[in-house]
Amino acid sequence: SQTIHQWPATLVQPVGSPLSLECTVEGTSNPNLYWYRQAAGRGLQLLFYSVGIGQISSEVPQNLSASRPQDRQFILSSKKLLLSDSGFYLCAWSVPRLARYEQFFGPGTRLTVL
Amino acid sequence: QKEVEQDPGPLSVPEGAIVSLNCTYSNSAFQYFMWYRQYSRKGPELLMYTYSSGNKEDGRFTAQVDKSSKYISLFIRDSQPSDSATYLCAMITRTGNQFYFGTGTSLTVIP
Repeated sequence: SQTIHQWPATLVQPVGSPLSLECTVEGTSNPNLYWYRQAAGRGLQLLFYSVGIGQISSEVPQNLSASRPQDRQFILSSKKLLLSDSGFYLCAWSVPRLARYEQFFGPGTRLTVL
Repeated sequence: QKEVEQDPGPLSVPEGAIVSLNCTYSNSAFQYFMWYRQYSRKGPELLMYTYSSGNKEDGRFTAQVDKSSKYISLFIRDSQPSDSATYLCAMITRTGNQFYFGTGTSLTVIP
């Protein structure tokens, strides 16, 4: 069965510090991978998605970046965090090439920028 | 106009009630529809996945899709306190890579 891991689960960082969040998927190959941010009491905001290694689509201009160095690894980064970067970050995957159009989410990383 | 509209609630019902959650959408190209349940401080959990008009039942949950009206619903029968969560609808086209989500409906089931 497929599983998705995210770490760390919780992170408190000062403004201006760098960020690296990691997501890995097990049990499937060549998934589409996604990064979302969910602010308190608000809906999901798509940040980035990737359909393959090295292929990144950005949906929102900001100080965040994403990379996909391996097929099942997706990394969210920032060089300098802003207060507005606080939120709940979710990684997700889907495999549309297998006619599976549903999306599955990881447990999330709660980021607080102080 | 947003691609997907969902009443944010909050919705509060007594235990045992039937709950109806709804989303409307504007893009007739959406073909695949999902409902997620999200407990506080957790990732969304896929509840139901449908791709055709009509009803799909799974235990106490029924997902309904009406493509002609661009309207989807999730019904919860015999609601339990453990159903208290935020429910998100989501949809995608057959050829797209981006999922479109409602903002979520907060549900509380009172014992």
